[in-house]
Amino acid sequence: GAGVSQSPSNKVTEKGKDVELRCDPISGHTALYWYRQSLGQGLEFLIYFQGNSAPDKSGLPSDRFSAERTGGSVSTLTIQRTQQEDSAVYLCASSLGLAGEQFFGPGTRLTVL
Amino acid sequence: AQSVTQPDIHITVSEGASLELRCNYSYGATPYLFWYVQSPGQGLQLLLKYFSGDTLVQGIKGFEAEFKRSQSSFNLRKPSVHWSDAAEYFCAVRPYSGGYQKVTFGTGTKLQVIP
Repeated sequence: GAGVSQSPSNKVTEKGKDVELRCDPISGHTALYWYRQSLGQGLEFLIYFQGNSAPDKSGLPSDRFSAERTGGSVSTLTIQRTQQEDSAVYLCASSLGLAGEQFFGPGTRLTVL
Repeated sequence: AQSVTQPDIHITVSEGASLELRCNYSYGATPYLFWYVQSPGQGLQLLLKYFSGDTLVQGIKGFEAEFKRSQSSFNLRKPSVHWSDAAEYFCAVRPYSGGYQKVTFGTGTKLQVIP
């Protein structure tokens, strides 16, 4: 596609439920990143995938957060047993290789009631 | 570890006026520097970047930024603001070394443009 796409654009869930957020990177981009943007905060790095290498999970805030990237393309960020503090915009980005410019998707706005 | 400071949370300017958004970074050497813009409901779009060379960098939409090593700053400027520039602006830094390095973002500056 022309750019990074994310779905859903908005997600409202109840506390304790699991959610899955999807990211489709730009075709051919080998690197994929997940960020969290909370109100009044900058972007918080969550996780990074590069090709077939082991992902850098150092930014995941708790073991309730996980992500996978299938076939080196689409990625899913899963949040288990959601909490109200998980409410944020989750942004995905992709880049062509390690040092390439990151292109961002429109984000998924997650609201945990 | 690198860090980025955007001291202005919110700025209001009149349409047609000049604009300067401040960004200071902390890093042991010269990093890669970026400015992104985020319109409501949109992802981040790269305005410009500095890797090396000329310290005055031109970007899209008429923006420019100047890297000042002595001040550890990378301020964003525009000579004449348009109403469509109302958005949130993020400065970001990445270490200048090979391989993957995390990008650290500032907390953003929200720009309001009044007629």
